[in-house]
Amino acid sequence: SQELEQSPQSLIVQEGKNLTINCTSSKTLYGLYWYKQKYGEGLIFLMMLQKGGEEKSHEKITAKLDEKKQQSSLHITASQPSHAGIYLCGAANQGGKLIFGQGTELSVKP
Amino acid sequence: GAVVSQHPSRVICKSGTSVKIECRSLDFQATTMFWYRQFPKQSLMLMATSNEGSKATYEQGVEKDKFLINHASLTLSTLTVTSAHPEDSSFYICSADRGVYGYTFGSGTRLTVV
Repeated sequence: SQELEQSPQSLIVQEGKNLTINCTSSKTLYGLYWYKQKYGEGLIFLMMLQKGGEEKSHEKITAKLDEKKQQSSLHITASQPSHAGIYLCGAANQGGKLIFGQGTELSVKP
Repeated sequence: GAVVSQHPSRVICKSGTSVKIECRSLDFQATTMFWYRQFPKQSLMLMATSNEGSKATYEQGVEKDKFLINHASLTLSTLTVTSAHPEDSSFYICSADRGVYGYTFGSGTRLTVV
């Protein structure tokens, strides 16, 4: 079965610093999704990537999918306290099920 | 935009009782819904796939008799935790498969069994 490995599992950065979260799949990705969550709350959709080499940006967040469609990265530029939370990568398998990586807990120190 | 309404957002129940969680798609039809649970400091684990008009399919290790799923209409899927015990306390969240439009999540239900 497909597995997603996220790294790092937790991250503490100083406000204003850049950071990158990685998501690696054991199989080719048909669709890669990035979400943000605070535990016990719903998921906030960030971005969806489908094509090899695709890159999308929204405000200070950029997500990329590599050409082989097995690895994605999420980059935050000039982090702010509002970026704090749990970041989850999700992938849709052939059956359409959306499965998630372990998550990355981000803390941003003012 | 498309919204999935999930209720209740929080519920406390006594051990041995059953709890029903509803997910309703607003303004769109959801043939397929997914149910997840999440423990503190952990990711979302897929429990089952709910298909309108047919039996749900459960992931390995998930007890189908304990977590009853009903998807009787194109806009409503329910998860019933039967004979709940403290170890069932968790955060449960549903997601509607919208095909090319991706997935829309409910806001989640925090279940506490005392």
